Amino acid sequence: QSVLTQPPSASGTPGQRVTISCSGSRSNIGSNYVYWYQQLPGTAPKLLIYRNDQRPSGVPDRFSGSKSGTSTSLAISGLRSEDEADYYCAAWDDSLSGPIFGGGTKLTVL
Amino acid sequence: QVQLQESGPGLVKPSETLSLTCTVSGGSISNYYWSWIRQPPGKGLEWIGYISHIGTTFYYPSLKSRVTISVDTSKNQFSLKLTSVTAADTAVYYCARLDCGGDCYHDHWGQGSLVTVSS
Repeated sequence: QSVLTQPPSASGTPGQRVTISCSGSRSNIGSNYVYWYQQLPGTAPKLLIYRNDQRPSGVPDRFSGSKSGTSTSLAISGLRSEDEADYYCAAWDDSLSGPIFGGGTKLTVL
Repeated sequence: QVQLQESGPGLVKPSETLSLTCTVSGGSISNYYWSWIRQPPGKGLEWIGYISHIGTTFYYPSLKSRVTISVDTSKNQFSLKLTSVTAADTAVYYCARLDCGGDCYHDHWGQGSLVTVSS
């Protein structure tokens, strides 16, 4: 079902900065806000970034989002072991009239 | 703080109907849309469909023929029925609130309910 494309995996060492990319099309990322979710092992997804670059209260400023055209990125600075999780991008798709998700990126902290 | 909780059988036989209910607490079901999303084991998130508090529905096209989502505002609940299930429908099923204040996004999720399709 994934219409948004993410790399399946990413990795970094503690303290490093990592970025996760997500690409879509004009009908989704190109026309609407982007959202990022963090899914820790065995738990439900949690909203991490909303409206491209906004953080819900409680989300550390180590996490940041950006969008350009039909692509978006999530950056995590000062990587910590507890950041090891799956990360999903999401956006509304105007052609579908519904939400779509990326395939997810598994982040490993080495 | 709004909370969502899925409930329903964890095991369904092939060709039968999967039924789940999501109970919303800490807030009213009114003025929002409510989604069902699933995640097959080891795979990504798949949106199934959503419903408004007045019963307007929209389903993912490939599942549309088998899905029914309904709402019971008196109980602050909404439900999912998926007919003619196969092993491919085995997944963790999440209910979530879809906030469409400006743009639409899922801001609150239930903890998920694993449903296994097996005889």
